[in-house]
Amino acid sequence: LAKTTQPISMDSYEGQEVNITCSHNNIATNDYITWYQQFPSQGPRFIIQGYKTKVTNEVASLFIPADRKSSTLSLPRVSLSDTAVYYCLVGGGSQGNLIFGKGTKLSVKP
Amino acid sequence: DADVTQTPRNRITKTGKRIMLECSQTKGHDRMYWYRQDPGLGLRLIYYSFDVKDINKGEISDGYSVSRQAQAKFSLSLESAIPNQTALYFCATSAISGRALTEQFFGPGTRLTVL
Repeated sequence: LAKTTQPISMDSYEGQEVNITCSHNNIATNDYITWYQQFPSQGPRFIIQGYKTKVTNEVASLFIPADRKSSTLSLPRVSLSDTAVYYCLVGGGSQGNLIFGKGTKLSVKP
Repeated sequence: DADVTQTPRNRITKTGKRIMLECSQTKGHDRMYWYRQDPGLGLRLIYYSFDVKDINKGEISDGYSVSRQAQAKFSLSLESAIPNQTALYFCATSAISGRALTEQFFGPGTRLTVL
């Protein structure tokens, strides 16, 4: 099973770009990389998913190098409402080997 | 109405008691999952089901069992609860697509305390 490692916490200020990196050295060929956001007392919410290279949607970008052993979630111009815990998930749904990282607590300050 | 609902939302029980946590979804998804969340440990997969006749163990299935009563319902049971099963439990669903993994939709969670 792929093991994921991500920083425990990060601090930022409003308007800055935030990059959170997740390491997954033994990622399998059919594993996808997915990022979730979680606010207190709520379930996690999907942010973005990718397999390789770069993926961008309306809220974030996901950068995955060619070796796929790490991935970086990029949040442009964060606001106070982006204060949350961000989880990296590596796995392939067809096999159920879904491994979440322990989460990165992002604190955005004014 | 919420797409993924969990009952109860909070439960306090005693060691040795049998507990059932229920999950229902209106998204029409075939795949359903049960996770537990502990402070500092993130989410860990307990069981998952890819359709009504399919049940699979996850990373930490010992001490738990599940039942997929219908496409929309997936229950988690603790046959004899113990204090280290005190945690926040989440149910999730996802659709089947051409990709191996699709977006999971999580319920609001059940906070279980075992005394």
